Amino acid sequence: AQRVTQPEKLLSVFKGAPVELKCNYSYSGSPELFWYVQYSRQRLQLLLRHISRESIKGFTADLNKGETSFHLKKPFAQEEDSAMYYCALQSGGSYIPTFGRGTSLIVHP
Amino acid sequence: SAVISQKPSRDICQRGTSLTIQCQVDSQVTMMFWYRQQPGQSLTLIATANQGSEATYESGFVIDKFPISRPNLTFSTLTVSNMSPEDSSIYLCSVGAGDRYEQYFGPGTRLTVT
Repeated sequence: AQRVTQPEKLLSVFKGAPVELKCNYSYSGSPELFWYVQYSRQRLQLLLRHISRESIKGFTADLNKGETSFHLKKPFAQEEDSAMYYCALQSGGSYIPTFGRGTSLIVHP
Repeated sequence: SAVISQKPSRDICQRGTSLTIQCQVDSQVTMMFWYRQQPGQSLTLIATANQGSEATYESGFVIDKFPISRPNLTFSTLTVSNMSPEDSSIYLCSVGAGDRYEQYFGPGTRLTVT
């Protein structure tokens, strides 16, 4: 069975500090991994996909198959980054995602 | 990408009644999903709704309580039947789209059962 673990329910940092939201997964095959974000009073939306190896709003995430991790990082947090972040896994051939419990990021001024 | 709308955006219902939530997509999609989300908490998948077949329910969810319709490739409904206060939650519709079938979400329906 596949599982996604986000160990931190809440992460609180100050503006300008680096931020890392942790995501670990368990899956025996080749996973597809995603980060989704939900800003206050907005719908849940895709932030980035591991397959794209892109930087979105200054965030990056690298898939580490050895550590089965897909941590989300940003070198300098901004107040507008405050939101709920969800890590999600889709197994090869299945388009049904498994979501982590989410991490609430609060960036203080 | 896909743009999804949901109706109603919120409702307050009495115990024992039923509510039907509508989900409309701006393009034809194969896979649609229904989730429940407690505020500030994770998403719980209720069922996968594919056009032309019965919905597939996750453990803990049954068709009698959450009947789903999927009459075409752009529309689905979720009914919450015989509601109790424990059904108070946000209900989300999503679709799998794009080349990696990433999820696109509706704005949600906030349901309060009194």
